[in-house]
Amino acid sequence: GDSVTQMEGPVTLSEEAFLTINCTYTATGYPSLFWYVQYPGEGLQLLLKATKADDKGSNKGFEATYRKETTSFHLEKGSVQVSDSAVYFCALSESNAGNMLTFGGGTRLMVKP
Amino acid sequence: EAEVAQSPRYKITEKSQAVAFWCDPISGHATLYWYRQILGQGPELLVQFQDESVVDDSQLPKDRFSAERLKGVDSTLKIQPAELGDSAMYLCASSSNEETQYFGPGTRLLVL
Repeated sequence: GDSVTQMEGPVTLSEEAFLTINCTYTATGYPSLFWYVQYPGEGLQLLLKATKADDKGSNKGFEATYRKETTSFHLEKGSVQVSDSAVYFCALSESNAGNMLTFGGGTRLMVKP
Repeated sequence: EAEVAQSPRYKITEKSQAVAFWCDPISGHATLYWYRQILGQGPELLVQFQDESVVDDSQLPKDRFSAERLKGVDSTLKIQPAELGDSAMYLCASSSNEETQYFGPGTRLLVL
């Protein structure tokens, strides 16, 4: 079945540091890929998505590129802020599976001033 | 901006009691999902509705969990009886014909 693997956290960075959170996936077809963010005590917010190979999703300074050859969708940001502290989830969906989301385990990011 | 509504936000119950959670999706969204998120893990799908019909409930523990979406709009997830292991965040999401799912704030359940 489909699965998503992301780097374990917590990831601790200083403000303005460069962020990379690794995400790889296995899927039977051609999935769409997503990054969701979850702030403490809240639900998930869509951060960005990509629907086909080589697409780049971007939002709020975050970027991720759909790499079919390496089955990866790594999240990057050039300069993190304290307000970026949250848990980040990589996920995939396939249209032949009702578009249900399969999530990774989440990566907690802590940004220190 | 339209949002998915869920209530209650928090629920504390004793084991063997019944609990119910409510979700109101974004207006016009035909597909509704219930996910369970155990602390420190990613969400896992419990049940998916297309309008009022169940599309996938393969991961729903049917001996104690039930879900309905009678008029194809809002939905209720019920647990009876609750067990200690049911303590988790219960998330509702909805989507239109496109694939992006929008999540509500969740209901955090604690079973004592």
